[in-house]
Amino acid sequence: NAGVTQTPKFQVLKTGQSMTLQCAQDMNHEYMSWYRQDPGMGLRLIHYSVGAGITDQGEVPNGYNVSRSTTEDFPLRLLSAAPSQTSVYFCASSLSSVSTGHGYTFGSGTRLTVV
Amino acid sequence: SQKIEQNSEALNIQEGKTATLTCNYTNYSPAYLQWYRQDPGRGPVFLLLIRENEKEKRKERLKVTFDTTLKQSLFHITASQPADSATYLCRGQNFVFGPGTRLSVLP
Repeated sequence: NAGVTQTPKFQVLKTGQSMTLQCAQDMNHEYMSWYRQDPGMGLRLIHYSVGAGITDQGEVPNGYNVSRSTTEDFPLRLLSAAPSQTSVYFCASSLSSVSTGHGYTFGSGTRLTVV
Repeated sequence: SQKIEQNSEALNIQEGKTATLTCNYTNYSPAYLQWYRQDPGRGPVFLLLIRENEKEKRKERLKVTFDTTLKQSLFHITASQPADSATYLCRGQNFVFGPGTRLSVLP
Protein backbone atom coordinates (compact mmCIF):
# COMPACT_ATOMS: atom_id res chain seq x y z
CA ASN A 1 0.00 0.00 0.00
CA ALA A 2 1.95 3.02 -1.29
CA GLY A 3 -0.57 5.74 -0.28
CA VAL A 4 -0.17 8.90 -2.36
CA THR A 5 2.73 8.95 -4.80
CA GLN A 6 3.96 12.19 -6.35
CA THR A 7 6.51 12.55 -9.10
CA PRO A 8 8.90 14.18 -9.65
CA LYS A 9 10.27 15.17 -6.24
CA PHE A 10 12.25 18.10 -7.65
CA GLN A 11 11.96 20.07 -10.89
CA VAL A 12 13.51 23.18 -12.36
CA LEU A 13 11.67 24.84 -15.23
CA LYS A 14 12.39 27.82 -17.40
CA THR A 15 9.78 30.54 -17.66
CA GLY A 16 7.23 29.61 -20.30
CA GLN A 17 7.83 25.87 -20.18
CA SER A 18 5.00 23.48 -19.43
CA MET A 19 5.03 20.33 -17.36
CA THR A 20 2.81 17.84 -15.58
CA LEU A 21 3.09 16.92 -11.92
CA GLN A 22 1.90 13.36 -11.37
CA CYS A 23 -0.18 12.13 -8.46
CA ALA A 24 -1.45 8.60 -7.90
CA GLN A 25 -3.18 6.97 -4.96
CA ASP A 26 -3.94 3.30 -4.34
CA MET A 27 -6.46 3.65 -1.50
CA ASN A 28 -9.57 3.96 -3.70
CA HIS A 29 -10.13 7.48 -2.38
CA GLU A 30 -12.84 9.47 -4.15
CA TYR A 31 -11.52 12.89 -3.21
CA MET A 32 -8.21 14.24 -4.49
CA SER A 33 -6.71 17.71 -4.41
CA TRP A 34 -3.64 19.78 -5.18
CA TYR A 35 -2.19 22.34 -2.79
CA ARG A 36 0.77 24.64 -3.01
CA GLN A 37 2.73 25.60 0.08
CA ASP A 38 4.64 28.84 0.28
CA PRO A 39 6.52 30.29 3.29
CA GLY A 40 4.20 32.27 5.55
CA MET A 41 1.12 31.46 3.46
CA GLY A 42 0.38 27.90 4.40
CA LEU A 43 -1.34 25.43 2.12
CA ARG A 44 -3.54 26.90 -0.60
CA LEU A 45 -5.92 24.82 -2.65
CA ILE A 46 -5.34 24.85 -6.42
CA HIS A 47 -7.83 22.30 -7.80
CA TYR A 48 -9.78 19.39 -6.42
CA SER A 49 -11.84 16.43 -7.58
CA VAL A 50 -14.67 14.59 -5.85
CA GLY A 51 -14.55 11.66 -8.23
CA ALA A 52 -13.50 10.48 -11.68
CA GLY A 53 -14.58 12.95 -14.34
CA ILE A 54 -15.33 15.74 -11.83
CA THR A 55 -12.95 18.61 -11.08
CA ASP A 56 -13.32 22.09 -9.65
CA GLN A 57 -11.22 25.14 -8.91
CA GLY A 58 -9.79 26.03 -5.55
CA GLU A 59 -8.41 29.27 -4.19
CA VAL A 60 -5.49 29.71 -6.63
CA PRO A 61 -6.31 27.92 -9.92
CA ASN A 62 -4.84 30.36 -12.45
CA GLY A 63 -2.06 28.87 -14.56
CA TYR A 64 -2.95 25.28 -13.68
CA ASN A 65 -5.12 22.59 -15.26
CA VAL A 66 -6.26 19.23 -13.94
CA SER A 67 -8.16 16.20 -15.14
CA ARG A 68 -9.43 13.06 -13.41
CA SER A 69 -9.91 10.25 -15.88
CA THR A 70 -9.49 7.50 -13.27
CA THR A 71 -10.03 7.25 -9.53
CA GLU A 72 -6.31 6.65 -8.99
CA ASP A 73 -4.69 9.52 -10.92
CA PHE A 74 -4.94 13.29 -10.64
CA PRO A 75 -2.22 15.08 -12.66
CA LEU A 76 -1.58 18.81 -12.36
CA ARG A 77 -0.50 20.66 -15.50
CA LEU A 78 1.40 23.93 -15.54
CA LEU A 79 0.54 25.54 -18.84
CA SER A 80 3.27 28.20 -19.08
CA ALA A 81 5.47 28.29 -16.01
CA ALA A 82 6.09 31.61 -14.26
CA PRO A 83 8.49 32.45 -11.39
CA SER A 84 5.41 33.01 -9.17
CA GLN A 85 4.71 29.30 -9.47
CA THR A 86 7.91 28.44 -7.62
CA SER A 87 6.59 26.49 -4.66
CA VAL A 88 6.20 23.11 -3.05
CA TYR A 89 3.23 21.23 -4.44
CA PHE A 90 1.32 18.61 -2.48
CA CYS A 91 -1.26 16.15 -3.69
CA ALA A 92 -3.74 14.91 -1.09
CA SER A 93 -6.53 12.35 -1.12
CA SER A 94 -9.38 11.48 1.19
CA LEU A 95 -11.92 8.72 1.46
CA SER A 96 -14.83 11.03 0.69
CA SER A 97 -15.90 14.62 0.42
CA VAL A 98 -15.05 17.41 2.81
CA SER A 99 -18.38 17.22 4.60
CA THR A 100 -17.49 13.93 6.30
CA GLY A 101 -14.27 15.07 7.96
CA HIS A 102 -12.06 12.24 6.77
CA GLY A 103 -8.42 13.17 7.10
CA TYR A 104 -6.26 13.82 4.08
CA THR A 105 -3.39 11.57 3.07
CA PHE A 106 -0.66 13.71 1.55
CA GLY A 107 2.07 12.84 -0.89
CA SER A 108 5.67 13.75 -0.16
CA GLY A 109 5.58 16.84 -2.36
CA THR A 110 7.18 18.23 -5.51
CA ARG A 111 9.59 21.13 -5.09
CA LEU A 112 9.31 23.26 -8.22
CA THR A 113 11.61 26.13 -9.13
CA VAL A 114 10.84 28.35 -12.12
CA VAL A 115 13.77 30.42 -13.35
CA SER B 1 -13.13 35.19 3.31
CA GLN B 2 -12.93 32.06 5.41
CA LYS B 3 -9.74 32.06 7.38
CA ILE B 4 -7.80 29.87 9.82
CA GLU B 5 -5.21 31.63 11.96
CA GLN B 6 -2.43 30.06 13.97
CA ASN B 7 0.31 31.62 15.99
CA SER B 8 3.08 32.15 13.47
CA GLU B 9 5.66 32.49 16.22
CA ALA B 10 7.60 29.32 16.92
CA LEU B 11 6.84 27.67 20.24
CA ASN B 12 9.77 26.41 22.30
CA ILE B 13 9.11 24.27 25.35
CA GLN B 14 11.08 22.04 27.66
CA GLU B 15 10.83 18.28 27.39
CA GLY B 16 8.17 16.85 29.67
CA LYS B 17 6.00 19.96 29.63
CA THR B 18 2.64 20.35 27.92
CA ALA B 19 2.63 22.17 24.59
CA THR B 20 -0.51 24.12 23.71
CA LEU B 21 -1.12 25.36 20.17
CA THR B 22 -3.97 27.63 19.13
CA CYS B 23 -6.17 27.67 16.02
CA ASN B 24 -8.69 30.46 15.48
CA TYR B 25 -11.21 30.64 12.65
CA THR B 26 -13.01 33.64 11.18
CA ASN B 27 -15.82 34.35 8.75
CA TYR B 28 -17.33 30.88 8.90
CA SER B 29 -18.42 28.12 11.22
CA PRO B 30 -16.67 24.88 10.32
CA ALA B 31 -18.46 21.67 11.15
CA TYR B 32 -15.10 20.20 12.12
CA LEU B 33 -11.45 21.01 12.58
CA GLN B 34 -8.48 18.78 11.88
CA TRP B 35 -4.91 18.84 13.09
CA TYR B 36 -1.90 17.71 11.08
CA ARG B 37 1.79 17.31 11.77
CA GLN B 38 4.38 18.28 9.16
CA ASP B 39 8.08 17.47 9.35
CA PRO B 40 10.62 19.37 7.20
CA GLY B 41 10.59 18.20 3.59
CA ARG B 42 7.58 15.94 4.13
CA GLY B 43 3.86 16.13 3.51
CA PRO B 44 1.46 16.79 6.40
CA VAL B 45 0.21 13.79 8.37
CA PHE B 46 -3.34 13.70 9.74
CA LEU B 47 -3.52 13.48 13.54
CA LEU B 48 -6.99 14.26 14.88
CA LEU B 49 -10.47 15.37 13.89
CA ILE B 50 -12.86 17.17 16.22
CA ARG B 51 -16.44 18.05 15.29
CA GLU B 52 -18.29 21.16 16.38
CA ASN B 53 -20.53 19.21 18.77
CA GLU B 54 -17.51 17.65 20.52
CA LYS B 55 -15.85 19.63 23.26
CA GLU B 56 -12.75 17.50 23.52
CA LYS B 57 -10.98 14.61 21.76
CA ARG B 58 -8.01 12.58 22.95
CA LYS B 59 -5.50 10.29 21.29
CA GLU B 60 -2.63 9.02 23.40
CA ARG B 61 -0.70 12.16 24.49
CA LEU B 62 -2.72 14.45 22.23
CA LYS B 63 -5.82 16.39 23.22
CA VAL B 64 -7.88 18.73 21.06
CA THR B 65 -10.68 21.07 22.13
CA PHE B 66 -13.25 22.95 20.06
CA ASP B 67 -14.87 26.09 21.46
CA THR B 68 -17.50 27.46 19.07
CA THR B 69 -18.08 30.50 21.29
CA LEU B 70 -14.45 31.58 21.12
CA LYS B 71 -14.15 30.26 17.53
CA GLN B 72 -11.06 28.42 18.61
CA SER B 73 -9.42 25.01 18.84
CA LEU B 74 -6.59 24.19 21.22
CA PHE B 75 -4.15 21.35 20.54
CA HIS B 76 -2.25 19.95 23.51
CA ILE B 77 0.70 17.57 23.60
CA THR B 78 1.30 16.30 27.12
CA ALA B 79 4.66 14.98 28.36
CA SER B 80 6.26 16.45 25.24
CA GLN B 81 9.35 14.84 23.72
CA PRO B 82 12.01 16.14 21.31
CA ALA B 83 10.45 13.81 18.69
CA ASP B 84 7.30 15.96 18.87
CA SER B 85 9.23 18.84 17.29
CA ALA B 86 7.48 19.68 14.01
CA THR B 87 5.07 22.14 12.45
CA TYR B 88 1.43 21.60 13.37
CA LEU B 89 -1.31 22.65 10.96
CA CYS B 90 -4.97 23.28 11.68
CA ARG B 91 -7.51 22.73 8.94
CA GLY B 92 -11.16 23.71 8.86
CA GLN B 93 -13.94 22.37 6.70
CA ASN B 94 -13.94 23.66 3.12
CA PHE B 95 -10.26 23.07 2.43
CA VAL B 96 -8.92 25.94 4.54
CA PHE B 97 -5.56 25.39 6.27
CA GLY B 98 -3.84 27.62 8.77
CA PRO B 99 -0.19 28.60 8.23
CA GLY B 100 1.00 26.27 10.99
CA THR B 101 2.92 26.70 14.23
CA ARG B 102 6.43 25.33 14.57
CA LEU B 103 7.00 23.51 17.84
CA SER B 104 10.46 22.82 19.22
CA VAL B 105 10.75 20.58 22.28
CA LEU B 106 14.10 21.13 23.96
CA PRO B 107 15.82 18.25 25.80
